[in-house]
Amino acid sequence: LAKTTQPISMDSYEGQEVNITCSHNNIATNDYITWYQQFPSQGPRFIIQGYKTKVTNEVASLFIPADRKSSTLSLPRVSLSDTAVYYCLVVGNSGYSTLTFGKGTMLLVSP
Amino acid sequence: GAVVSQHPSWVICKSGTSVKIECRSLDFQATTMFWYRQFPKQSLMLMATSNEGSKATYEQGVEKDKFLINHASLTLSTLTVTSAHPEDSSFYICSASPGGTEAFFGQGTRLTVV
Repeated sequence: LAKTTQPISMDSYEGQEVNITCSHNNIATNDYITWYQQFPSQGPRFIIQGYKTKVTNEVASLFIPADRKSSTLSLPRVSLSDTAVYYCLVVGNSGYSTLTFGKGTMLLVSP
Repeated sequence: GAVVSQHPSWVICKSGTSVKIECRSLDFQATTMFWYRQFPKQSLMLMATSNEGSKATYEQGVEKDKFLINHASLTLSTLTVTSAHPEDSSFYICSASPGGTEAFFGQGTRLTVV
């Protein structure tokens, strides 16, 4: 199972773009990269998922280089409500056998 | 997105009693469900993985006789904390997957054992 490494914390200001990078050196061929957001005392919320290159949805973009050993979650123009913990997970596409979280990145957005 | 409902949202129980937490997938069938506990300012710790109709697979260090997991249908899994003690106080979260690479989380249950 690919282990992930992320920065423990990041600080930003409202309106800025935030990029959070995750390392997953042991990612397997059939693994996908998924990012979740968690607010205090709530369950994680799905943000975005990708396999390679770039994926974009209404809230974020996910950049994955060709070797897939890392990925970058990009949050455009963050607001105070984006203050949360962000988790990067690597999951296989053959069905979940396990879903293990790393330590996550605490993003603090200030005015 | 798909909805996973967890009940109750919070519960207080006396030491020595048992508490049951329910996790339901409301608009999809969950082939796999996961149970986590989370202590303050820490990440989610996977406790067990369960597939409908079969016994749960517990992570190392998690007592299966203390944390009973039942995944009786494709939309319901329950976690029962038996003979609860104050050290079992935590935030418990379930997740459900319809298969493939998707997984959706419940809102969590705050358990306080007094």
